[in-house]
Amino acid sequence: RKEVEQDPGPFNVPEGATVAFNCTYSNSASQSFFWYRQDCRKEPKLLMSVYSSGNEDGRFTAQLNRASQYISLLIRDSKLSDSATYLCVVNMGTGMLTFGGGTRLMVKP
Amino acid sequence: DAGVTQSPTHLIKTRGQQVTLRCSPKSGHDTVSWYQQALGQGPQFIFQYYEEEERQRGNFPDRFSGHQFPNYSSELNVNALLLGDSALYLCASSLGGKETQYFGPGTRLLVL
Repeated sequence: RKEVEQDPGPFNVPEGATVAFNCTYSNSASQSFFWYRQDCRKEPKLLMSVYSSGNEDGRFTAQLNRASQYISLLIRDSKLSDSATYLCVVNMGTGMLTFGGGTRLMVKP
Repeated sequence: DAGVTQSPTHLIKTRGQQVTLRCSPKSGHDTVSWYQQALGQGPQFIFQYYEEEERQRGNFPDRFSGHQFPNYSSELNVNALLLGDSALYLCASSLGGKETQYFGPGTRLLVL
């Protein structure tokens, strides 16, 4: 079983749609959680950290459920520029990041 | 403020050869982590360097080794290259190793 699991997609959505990605992690001792965005043939870039209380950054909302070991990302009012691969990332607290395989999003006009 | 830089951007090698990749961390950062990203997969942790020592290591063979210099820059060395070593090699820097990691643009290695 992979330590961090994501649906690879692709998710094909029209502009303006709301889309949600989910991720599960296997190690209950995981301490911090992130969503990174990766454009084709580029490096991952931090999108946002994820907290149990939930956090929002503009059109993006992230949520952590420690009991279910489940992380989510919601994107509202999708833009063409949101097309990318979204990586769910877990840190055990040691500094070693564990990545999911990524979920590919394609926003169509 | 310069971000994380890596060199070279692309590299082609043949099986059995050795390669050295380089990374300069973001200004003010003292920790460098290396990741391997195969096509279609998420990055996998190779190792992390802090205070010129390897602090943590992922599930990679001894053919993968590294070094950190006093100016915090780092090198990744891979010996006896295999076809399966073809990947994007990413360097990430952070302060203290446990804070947010910022990635460089990567080095794309192709082993023929």
